[in-house]
Amino acid sequence: AQSVAQPEDQVNVAEGNPLTVKCTYSVSGNPYLFWYVQYPNRGLQFLLKYITGDNLVKGSYGFEAEFNKSQTSFHLKKPSALVSDSALYFCAVRDIGGNFNKFYFGSGTKLNVKP
Amino acid sequence: DSGVTQTPKHLITATGQRVTLRCSPRSGDLSVYWYQQSLDQGLQFLIQYYNGEERAKGNILERFSAQQFPDLHSELNLSSLELGDSALYFCASSVGSSRAGELFFGEGSRLTVL
Repeated sequence: AQSVAQPEDQVNVAEGNPLTVKCTYSVSGNPYLFWYVQYPNRGLQFLLKYITGDNLVKGSYGFEAEFNKSQTSFHLKKPSALVSDSALYFCAVRDIGGNFNKFYFGSGTKLNVKP
Repeated sequence: DSGVTQTPKHLITATGQRVTLRCSPRSGDLSVYWYQQSLDQGLQFLIQYYNGEERAKGNILERFSAQQFPDLHSELNLSSLELGDSALYFCASSVGSSRAGELFFGEGSRLTVL
């Protein structure tokens, strides 16, 4: 079965410092991986995805993610955090095996960026 | 703005009642997904439709049902409501024809059961 895990419930970082939000996955076959951000009382917004190709994927708002097949990870990164990046971040994987209509979301990581 | 519209944004009702949540997908998207987000919990996948047909089912209770209409909008019906059904319900859409496609989420319908 496909799944993703976000091992950290919360990540704290100072403004201007680099940030990393971790995600590991478990899939059969090649993974289709996604990152979403959710601001308070809002819907989820798509940030970026990895389908194939370059392991470093660039997305919205200066975010990027690194796909690492050997470590089955897809960590979200940003070189310099902003206070406005504070939000809930979700990693997701698409089931490309039995039913590609299914997306599996991680439990979410709350990012706190302090001034 | 994702292009996905959900109504109502907020709904307060009593236990035992029935409510209907509505979703209009992005123009051109054939696939609609429903998710439930409870406090302190992640996203729980409920059900997915593609062009009017059910394609995937998640942890959807028997008290809940959904459908997608010919104009592609979708409705999620929640009946015999319990306190534990209080949550944020999200609709998402995607083109559906591409395995690489991402989901686009609406702003959600916040249901409070008293």
